[in-house]
Amino acid sequence: DFQMTQSPSSLSASVGDRVTITCRATQNIGTYLNWYQQKPGKTPNLLIYSASILRSGVPSRFSGSGSGTDFTLTITNLQLEDVAIYFCHQTYSGPPEAFGQGTKLEIK
Amino acid sequence: QVQLVQSGAEVKKPGASVKVSCRASGHGFSRYGIGIGWVRQAPGQGLEWMGWISIYSGGTHYAQKFQSRVTMTADTSTRTAYMELSSLRSDDTAIYYCATDTVTGYQADAFDIWGPGTMVTVSS
Repeated sequence: DFQMTQSPSSLSASVGDRVTITCRATQNIGTYLNWYQQKPGKTPNLLIYSASILRSGVPSRFSGSGSGTDFTLTITNLQLEDVAIYFCHQTYSGPPEAFGQGTKLEIK
Repeated sequence: QVQLVQSGAEVKKPGASVKVSCRASGHGFSRYGIGIGWVRQAPGQGLEWMGWISIYSGGTHYAQKFQSRVTMTADTSTRTAYMELSSLRSDDTAIYYCATDTVTGYQADAFDIWGPGTMVTVSS
């Protein structure tokens, strides 16, 4: 069965740090992978689509990379306002469309 | 500017059905039409993709998990999508979001516009 595995489930980092969140698919999904940020009590916010395209208005400290089965969301120069849960989301036709389990990002 | 407006909160008993609406307004949708995706989030849990509907073609694509219980429909005259979930259980208690895509050129690929969510509570 197709699976999306997101890791880590939680992480704690300091302001100014570089953090990396990964999503791995069990079959090739090309670049049909999006990243969302969800702050407490808010609706999800699209950050990155098609694996690496930064949505207009999203700070450039967010970046996405990867293709095929392995994908990465990187946040450089971490800021206090980046505290949130981050989700990956695969949309390749064929495997069931699905979100990753989420990564809870906290500031030390 | 694209906006999605959803219907209000619902409280249902187990075994009942719920129908949530999502009205799309504004300009900037995909040239292929307006696709409305439905995503739910149980309290304290992650996001769960339920499916999507193309408002003008009526085409649907459901997640296998919900295949037997969900029906997505649309009213083209009001650009409103509906998501009906039947045989409700307590674990269907969640916020139900509609969302659409105005960035990729596809109808419902990357969700950059979200409705505010509709809280559905299933309780006896």
